[in-house]
Amino acid sequence: GAVVSQHPSRVICKSGTSVKIECRSLDFQATTMFWYRQFPKQSLMLMATSNEGSKATYEQGVEKDKFLINHASLTLSTLTVTSAHPEDSSFYICSGLAGTQYFGPGTRLLVL
Amino acid sequence: GENVEQHPSTLSVQEGDSAVIKCTYSDSASNYFPWYKQELGKRPQLIIDIRSNVGEKKDQRIAVTLNKTAKHFSLHITETQPEDSAVYFCAASSGTGNQFYFGTGTSLTVIP
Repeated sequence: GAVVSQHPSRVICKSGTSVKIECRSLDFQATTMFWYRQFPKQSLMLMATSNEGSKATYEQGVEKDKFLINHASLTLSTLTVTSAHPEDSSFYICSGLAGTQYFGPGTRLLVL
Repeated sequence: GENVEQHPSTLSVQEGDSAVIKCTYSDSASNYFPWYKQELGKRPQLIIDIRSNVGEKKDQRIAVTLNKTAKHFSLHITETQPEDSAVYFCAASSGTGNQFYFGTGTSLTVIP
């Protein structure tokens, strides 16, 4: 299957700071990538659809000014959590579309 | 939008027995149904998928069935092994935008 990487794998930051998470498709071009959030022992919640060269499409209830998504190339999408607060602490997973969705390993964010 | 329900939330079986997980969906336009396995702290991995033009698909010990009329699909694992223990998620996609909407997950434990 296709390979997707994410960086960093885990990050701890202070409240009020911004954190950038990178999602890369390593062996395929991903015109479309997706960002999910997963709380402990819960399902994957789709946050937004990231399309190369255009604005991301956000799911209802997801603040686009807080979760900034940039998909500047066919292999890279970034998610920036701006002015992070403790309630933003979660596991963030991206996926790339190549027939089906292939997931990155996730980024565990802890906001103190 | 699409609503996917998944049952049971937890399932324990003896090694060698079969396990069945069921999902229902609401959007009749959904035409692609993947199943993912997620081990603790790791990325979801695609294990099998089915499109709406077929009713059943099998891959070794894993099979998926789809009933379009009733809008439900099921995952069947036969001859379960301890390494099958994980959380399993079903998903539905309409193809438009390729968004996946996930079920709530089933935590499967195979008892040796």
